[in-house]
Amino acid sequence: GAGVSQTPSNKVTEKGKYVELRCDPISGHTALYWYRQSLGQGPEFLIYFQGTGAADDSGLPNDRFFAVRPEGSVSTLKIQRTERGDSAVYLCASSLRRIRHTEAFFGQGTRLTVV
Amino acid sequence: AQTVTQSQPEMSVQEAETVTLSCTYDTSESDYYLFWYKQPPSRQMILVIRQEAYKQQNATENRFSVNFQKAAKSFSLKISDSQLGDAAMYFCAYRNIQGGSEKLVFGKGTKLTVNP
Repeated sequence: GAGVSQTPSNKVTEKGKYVELRCDPISGHTALYWYRQSLGQGPEFLIYFQGTGAADDSGLPNDRFFAVRPEGSVSTLKIQRTERGDSAVYLCASSLRRIRHTEAFFGQGTRLTVV
Repeated sequence: AQTVTQSQPEMSVQEAETVTLSCTYDTSESDYYLFWYKQPPSRQMILVIRQEAYKQQNATENRFSVNFQKAAKSFSLKISDSQLGDAAMYFCAYRNIQGGSEKLVFGKGTKLTVNP
């Protein structure tokens, strides 16, 4: 596809379970970002990849959250022992290599509901 | 740390009229980007307009324009000739240019309603 693709679109899980959220960036985009958007709030930064490596993971709230991008394309956000407070929309964005006029393109997000 | 504040949780405008959304930010950097994003119910964030801090000229994209006041750290969005399709959440965002992460820092958003 031409845009950033996120799967699943919606995910309902039970408290304490493990979940994986997937992001397929635009082909050729080396930078990839994860954001979390809680109800009534703006997106909050979680982690930024440049290629395969996490260049900035300062936004990950705790060690239950982890993200990988093993081949520099698809990324997976992993949440262990989910809590009700993890319920939010998780947005992924990608952009071309780190140049001055880079625009980030967003996917439609995954709505995670922890019950 | 940089912060972005949107003081208007909700705004409404009549179709074909003009509306201005407010945004202020705080940073110690001299060079940075500012953005306005639109988020319809589909959840996808769509870039509306971008401003580079070193440029004095206000950015314009068709019916969308900004009033960038660097000294006041203010970045408002003006939507002219409002259309029903403009109804959405609007987020103001900041990004550093030099050093560190390229993360965006968002405000809490303004919900825009367009009345026919």
